[in-house]
Amino acid sequence: GIQVEQSPPDLILQEGANSTLRCNFSDSVNNLQWFHQNPWGQLINLFYIPSGTKQNGRLSATTVATERYSLLYISSSQTTDSGVYFCAVDNNDMRFGAGTRLTVKP
Amino acid sequence: DTGVSQDPRHKITKRGQNVTFRCDPISEHNRLYWYRQTLGQGPEFLTYFQNEAQLEKSRLLSDRFSAERPKGSFSTLEIQRTEQGDSAMYLCATETGAQGNTIYFGEGSWLTVV
Repeated sequence: GIQVEQSPPDLILQEGANSTLRCNFSDSVNNLQWFHQNPWGQLINLFYIPSGTKQNGRLSATTVATERYSLLYISSSQTTDSGVYFCAVDNNDMRFGAGTRLTVKP
Repeated sequence: DTGVSQDPRHKITKRGQNVTFRCDPISEHNRLYWYRQTLGQGPEFLTYFQNEAQLEKSRLLSDRFSAERPKGSFSTLEIQRTEQGDSAMYLCATETGAQGNTIYFGEGSWLTVV
């Protein structure tokens, strides 16, 4: 089955810093989504982005489907950005990577 | 609140007992997914429904796991003869199934088998 790898596994930032999270996948996909899981376990969809670039406030994402990777950019990070960021890809079922655990310190 | 409800939120059970989790989707969502998540890992796909039809169940972890969606609305996930290794969070997610659609997750049901 398709493999999804995320890097880095852990990231610690000072508030206000920028960061880039990466997702590599092993095969072509119909669907790629980024999620944020808060410390209480709730998963929230951030982007549906099988290709191209999207922006939503301080967050933006880019997927280069031909090279099988996606990037999530967080600018001017805030403590509320802390949590785990997951990339998930979908051909017939949605497969998640192991996530990047982000800690933003005040 | 995403609109996807799961019940119970927490369940502690003794090994060997059966447990059932319920998921109530957003009303117009035809597709419903069940995932399992253990500490430090991403969600692991278990099964999914298109309306009342279960389209994929080969990834259910063992024959002790079963899921139903009898009327194409709410769904249940049952684990029979629970084992300590079943301790995890069980997540439900729903979507309309249209291309480009956002998937919405419930808050999850935490299971602890003692």
